[in-house]
Amino acid sequence: DAKTTQPTSMDCAEGRAANLPCNHSTISGNEYVYWYRQIHSQGPQYIIHGLKNNETNEMASLIITEDRKSSTLILPHATLRDTAVYYCIVRVDGPNAGGTSYGKLTFGQGTILTVHP
Amino acid sequence: GAVVSQHPSRVICKSGTSVKIECRSLDFQATTMFWYRQFPKQSLMLMATSNEGSKATYEQGVEKDKFLINHASLTLSTLTVTSAHPEDSSFYICSASEGWVETQYFGPGTRLLVL
Repeated sequence: DAKTTQPTSMDCAEGRAANLPCNHSTISGNEYVYWYRQIHSQGPQYIIHGLKNNETNEMASLIITEDRKSSTLILPHATLRDTAVYYCIVRVDGPNAGGTSYGKLTFGQGTILTVHP
Repeated sequence: GAVVSQHPSRVICKSGTSVKIECRSLDFQATTMFWYRQFPKQSLMLMATSNEGSKATYEQGVEKDKFLINHASLTLSTLTVTSAHPEDSSFYICSASEGWVETQYFGPGTRLLVL
């Protein structure tokens, strides 16, 4: 599994965009970048995922660099309810992938995002 | 869509007893389900993976005879913690997906306290 590196914590003002970076310099060609978040004492919530193209949904945007070695999750207008731990995970999703890591999510320590008024 | 439920949300039991936790996919068929454990101030750790109708695959260091997993239908998986001890107290979370490479959706978690 490619490992990811995220800042331990970040702050953001309510209403502003939150940009959460993630480094995954050893990512392989068949590994997708997934983002989840976990609000205190709850199960993780899926946010978005992508392979190499930028992605956007109702929750966030995912910007992946051309070399795929890093990505940024963007919450366009952060609210207090976006305060959570954000996990960037790379996962083997390729149809020809095998081995024991196939399909698994390996959670790191994530980034604690605090949105303040 | 993609809702996963867990029951119970919280359980307290005496040491030596067994506890069963249910994980259900409410609006999709979950071919694959995963069980995680999370200790305070730590990240999620994968315990095991199960495919419907097959035996679960356990991660290294997870005792399969202690953590019994059953995935008998496409919407239900159960985790039974047998002969629970205080060190088994943790936050147990399941996830479900329509297949190995599909997006995993997580349940709300079950907090287990063994006295």
